[in-house]
Amino acid sequence: EPEVTQTPSHQVTQMGQEVILRCVPISNHLYFYWYRQILGQKVEFLVSFYNNEISEKSEIFDDQFSVERPDGSNFTLKIRSTKLEDSAMYFCASSVGLNTEAFFGQGTRLTVV
Amino acid sequence: GENVGLHLPTLSVQEGDNSIINCAYSNSASDYFIWYKQESGKGPQFIIDIRSNMDKRQGQRVTVLLNKTVKHLSLQIAATQPGDSAVYFCAENRANSGYALNFGKGTSLLVTP
Repeated sequence: EPEVTQTPSHQVTQMGQEVILRCVPISNHLYFYWYRQILGQKVEFLVSFYNNEISEKSEIFDDQFSVERPDGSNFTLKIRSTKLEDSAMYFCASSVGLNTEAFFGQGTRLTVV
Repeated sequence: GENVGLHLPTLSVQEGDNSIINCAYSNSASDYFIWYKQESGKGPQFIIDIRSNMDKRQGQRVTVLLNKTVKHLSLQIAATQPGDSAVYFCAENRANSGYALNFGKGTSLLVTP
């Protein structure tokens, strides 16, 4: 069964450092998303990406964040200068179309120390 | 802002009983709703979705009911099994957006033998 894969599963980084979280969406999907989940809290939308550009972003997705689809398979989230409060699970998701089921990856646990 | 929330943070049921998890939403413009299951350390897993032109949809052992009049969504799980133990999130498409989902806070379902 096709699935969204994310690497690494766990990333520890020092405050102020840059991190890149990687995702391989399901191959025939056209819409890509990043969400985050702070421990014990709900899943929060960060950004959506379609046709090689950002479709929508939340207030969380500030100038420290960027996304890229560097090739036909990968979808990355970059955090330029990490802060302690960026510590969370980051989930990548993809869907075939608008308002269709979004499939989530297993997540990357980011710990900023 | 708009809110998607859950009535009960935890629900404990006996194996074999039916479970009902409830969700309230406040954005009357939402037209697409999804239930996700999240097991510890994993990403959200799609269970079932429903569009606003329907009031009921059934899957395998699960039923979603949508009451647009009172902006209420419920997930019914028949013959609950230990493997159903997880956190369940309802999600709606974000206001004025078809791209991203707004998640509720989650209900923890515990199935006891």
